[in-house]
Amino acid sequence: DTEVTQTPKHLVMGMTNKKSLKCEQHMGHRAMYWYKQKAKKPPELMFVYSYEKLSINESVPSRFSPECPNSSLLNLHLHALQPEDSALYLCASSASLLLYEQYFGPGTRLTVT
Amino acid sequence: DAKTTQPPSMDCAEGRAANLPCNHSTISGNEYVYWYRQIHSQGPQYIIHGLKNNETNEMASLIITEDRKSSTLILPHATLRDTAVYYCIVRVESDKIIFGKGTRLHILP
Repeated sequence: DTEVTQTPKHLVMGMTNKKSLKCEQHMGHRAMYWYKQKAKKPPELMFVYSYEKLSINESVPSRFSPECPNSSLLNLHLHALQPEDSALYLCASSASLLLYEQYFGPGTRLTVT
Repeated sequence: DAKTTQPPSMDCAEGRAANLPCNHSTISGNEYVYWYRQIHSQGPQYIIHGLKNNETNEMASLIITEDRKSSTLILPHATLRDTAVYYCIVRVESDKIIFGKGTRLHILP
């Protein structure tokens, strides 16, 4: 199973809402990633987890809060977002931190109203 | 910043080989060349990577010049499903993936 799953596929939220994005993989990978992709732009790295610990935070605003409850799950908690945060949020995993190829999920398309 | 230069778009006839170039003139000796692609509305997909030697897998071939300053990704028999944005990435294995602008490949029927 080389699949990374993400839920929900689409999310519309107001600026005062709290929501969460979920990512799951069952490949035994120990590194997981969050990327943000604006329309017609390349993906940009947000966070990296290794062995369930946060390894890299690319200076992401605190309204985005990642969480890795176990080695298979990665969440992204959203609070007080701005319309400019509307984007495709991609999750990825790899066997080890930053090594080997990364497997990406299909993404969650987020719209902030 | 991305360390690669790719043409913004290319066309290829269905059934023909698609050759996607990438310039990476400042590549270091320990940096690998990776290729990913992103089909519309999907997450990026790993294709292939190499260091010095040419590489081939079930999806594509990667040809790296002897001076390592450029490379070419070859899709041997392009199909309509190969229409995507192709990203050439140069990285040390322990480094972050930094996506550049990529090449938008159109496969023409």
